[in-house]
Amino acid sequence: EVQLVDSGGGLVKPGRSLRLSCTTSGFTFGDYAMSWFRQAPGKGLEWVGYLRTKSYGGTTQYAASVKGRFTISRDDSKSIAYLEMNSLKTEDTAVYYCTRDLFGSGGLVITDWGQGTLVTVSS
Amino acid sequence: DIQMTQSPSSLSASVGDTVTITCRASQGISNFLAWFQQKPGKAPKSLIYAASSLQSGVPSRFSGSGSGTDFTLSISSLQPEDFATYYCQQYNNYPFTFGPGTKVDIK
Repeated sequence: EVQLVDSGGGLVKPGRSLRLSCTTSGFTFGDYAMSWFRQAPGKGLEWVGYLRTKSYGGTTQYAASVKGRFTISRDDSKSIAYLEMNSLKTEDTAVYYCTRDLFGSGGLVITDWGQGTLVTVSS
Repeated sequence: DIQMTQSPSSLSASVGDTVTITCRASQGISNFLAWFQQKPGKAPKSLIYAASSLQSGVPSRFSGSGSGTDFTLSISSLQPEDFATYYCQQYNNYPFTFGPGTKVDIK
């Protein structure tokens, strides 16, 4: 069974950093791209960024709102994806979800979602 | 950025009804369109990709269609577990963008 477990959220002050983890099981992690999305309280879904597999160069793409502050990485040996968040702002407050994605000629197809982890940025 | 709109923003329906949700992109996105279902307090669930392809395990009462700028999600014979909010998402251009959602509730 495919499982994605998001963790690492919590309360953090503006300007500080936080690292989220997406611990996975039930599939060959290295064969899949991984993305992060977020949802502010009572709002819709927002794409944060994604990380391709090593076979596709392991390259990343980010939303403009987080580019330069957030970094997505992966440890294929541990089947974990990370979202490193620096210089956090109050507007980064949201539930963060990781996803498992298929990437290829058909674009980036999201297949599975983690349960989400809440990040609250407040002084 | 590509803007995604959805209509209606909400609808009320009864078990057994057929409902249709429309999603429109501000520019052509070929068929790079996905649909997601989200229930309160839960993570989204992937339903459809490439505008009309069902994700594994999704019931056949869900169907999608469209290409270019106009897309639809249809749910036939609505079941109690289908009452939720539905989002469309384009993945043709960065940044990937979502529609604002359509809430389907019980009449």
